[in-house]
Amino acid sequence: DAGVIQSPRHEVTEMGQEVTLRCKPISGHDYLFWYRQTMMRGLELLIYFNNNVPIDDSGMPEDRFSAKMPNASFSTLKIQPSEPRDSAVYFCASSSARDTQYFGPGTRLTVL
Amino acid sequence: GQSLEQPSEVTAVEGAIVQINCTYQTSGFYGLSWYQQHDGGAPTFLSYNALDGLEETGRFSSFLSRSDSYGYLLLQELQMKDSASYFCAVNQAGTALIFGKGTTLSVSS
Repeated sequence: DAGVIQSPRHEVTEMGQEVTLRCKPISGHDYLFWYRQTMMRGLELLIYFNNNVPIDDSGMPEDRFSAKMPNASFSTLKIQPSEPRDSAVYFCASSSARDTQYFGPGTRLTVL
Repeated sequence: GQSLEQPSEVTAVEGAIVQINCTYQTSGFYGLSWYQQHDGGAPTFLSYNALDGLEETGRFSSFLSRSDSYGYLLLQELQMKDSASYFCAVNQAGTALIFGKGTTLSVSS
């Protein structure tokens, strides 16, 4: 299995631009999670989906953040407009059970 | 509120044994997970405890006491490659994970 796939791996953009992060979960997994990791705040859950339906988006910091999962094999996290404080590593993870989540390699986002 | 407490740093030498403690206070609890993250890498699953007691997986063991809201990760026969950050995470209802801030383990020769 290829594992969770994320793209791009690195993104550098300017403040005010739209950023779209992409994730392909492991085939057969019915849960998908988006996390953000910074030195200050650690690893934070932003939103998660079950069977393509958003279950909990209480971690999404602001309306500038949105996430979609149009099908079982694809999800996006969009930031519009981006701000420097959004700079972080964004991880996507998937699971089919309550105990084990498999993380993708992450997208390192830098907003100038 | 929800909180998980774990030490920020631990140092040890090769071959030693290290215990990383985690105390938690959360609403909704199904179990305690441990993840390892090397610099620049992604978190990877190590272990999961849903019931009280010790779970052993090779050189790593994890313990949970639900009545004390406490768990620990025990790493034996430390190797240089074990230098990484270790996160405890509470599994809440619906599979969401709440992570602690992580413990940076440095293993020296």
